[in-house]
Amino acid sequence: GQNIDQPTEMTATEGAIVQINCTYQTSGFNGLFWYQQHAGEAPTFLSYNVLDGLEEKGRFSSFLSRSKGYSYLLLKELQMKDSASYLCAVADSNYQLIWGAGTKLIIKP
Amino acid sequence: GAVVSQHPSRVICKSGTSVKIECRSLDFQATTMFWYRQFPKQSLMLMATSNEGSKATYEQGVEKDKFLINHASLTLSTLTVTSAHPEDSSFYICSARDLGQDTGELFFGEGSRLTVL
Repeated sequence: GQNIDQPTEMTATEGAIVQINCTYQTSGFNGLFWYQQHAGEAPTFLSYNVLDGLEEKGRFSSFLSRSKGYSYLLLKELQMKDSASYLCAVADSNYQLIWGAGTKLIIKP
Repeated sequence: GAVVSQHPSRVICKSGTSVKIECRSLDFQATTMFWYRQFPKQSLMLMATSNEGSKATYEQGVEKDKFLINHASLTLSTLTVTSAHPEDSSFYICSARDLGQDTGELFFGEGSRLTVL
């Protein structure tokens, strides 16, 4: 079966760094996405990885290892507004997105 | 980036009535749009894939006669919840992929919160 695993909840301190992991098992792979979702709002796109390695975009970076079925989202210089759920999603062989349950990130002052 | 607009953002209706939700791609053409449902504290669940000019593809367990999808043009897909019941109360979100972009990024509408009394 297809499966996306990510932690349910994480807590971090304002100004610090946090890494949110995602492991996946899917039928085929056509890229991995990270989305941010604030409560009551639709998800917003953060990153897309299809090749191994690290993609950096401002305070956010995303890493992918296809051989390990593993990705992480790295958030630096955390701000209170970063408190949200972070969704990992993988496009399978049919380009259907398989969604993780999301990681709720709580930022404390 | 590409913009997807969804309307209405909130709707409250009585049990037994039907509700229509619109999803529009504002600056790109979308031959395929996706409809999701999200219950509180849960992840997105794909309901159906809407295809322009043809029938929608529904996920297992989703009643096609209850959730009617019409994708009449390259920029508009509609989801109609027929004979809505309280258990249909949820956050409905549409998305579309801009094929003109290399990332394959999905662009989401703002979501529609349905409350059935």
